[in-house]
Amino acid sequence: EPEVTQTPSHQVTQMGQEVILRCVPISNHLYFYWYRQILGQKVEFLVSFYNNEISEKSEIFDDQFSVERPDGSNFTLKIRSTKLEDSAMYFCASSSDWDGYTFGSGTRLTVV
Amino acid sequence: DAKTTQPPSMDCAEGRAANLPCNHSTISGNEYVYWYRQIHSQGPQYIIHGLKNNETNEMASLIITEDRKSSTLILPHATLRDTAVYYCIVSGYNQGGKLIFGQGTELSVKP
Repeated sequence: EPEVTQTPSHQVTQMGQEVILRCVPISNHLYFYWYRQILGQKVEFLVSFYNNEISEKSEIFDDQFSVERPDGSNFTLKIRSTKLEDSAMYFCASSSDWDGYTFGSGTRLTVV
Repeated sequence: DAKTTQPPSMDCAEGRAANLPCNHSTISGNEYVYWYRQIHSQGPQYIIHGLKNNETNEMASLIITEDRKSSTLILPHATLRDTAVYYCIVSGYNQGGKLIFGQGTELSVKP
């Protein structure tokens, strides 16, 4: 069964450093998403991406965040200057239409 | 905020059917009902979705009331591996396809 692949599985970074979280969505999917989940809290929507541009973003997705699909297969989330409160699980997801999403297994980001 | 209401927790005996209810009284005509589950801190896993007809797949059945204001996810023969948090989510064109997660129902399947 097709999978969404995320790397790395765990990233530790110092506050103020830039991080890039990587995702390989399912190849024939057209819609791409990033979500995050702070430990013990709800899964939260960050951003959706379609046709090489952001289609919607949440209040969490401020100027420190950016997304890119650099080569037609990878989908990345960049955090320019990490804060302690950015520590969370970050999930990438993709979908083809109104069928259900497929989520990746996540990247655990720890900011120290 | 999530447009759905679910009980915070439920127990089910292994081998029995698990029936997870969800209220979505403000659902719009073009919005789907989706069910996902999350085991520990893994990525949410899609289970099933429907618009107004009942649906069944290899994982579960989804029963949607005629007025579409509530639904029930049925796991016909629950196993210990079905222990997870189950999320009922309403989404569609109005949400641009994004999913708004609530707290879900924590299902514990017991031997």
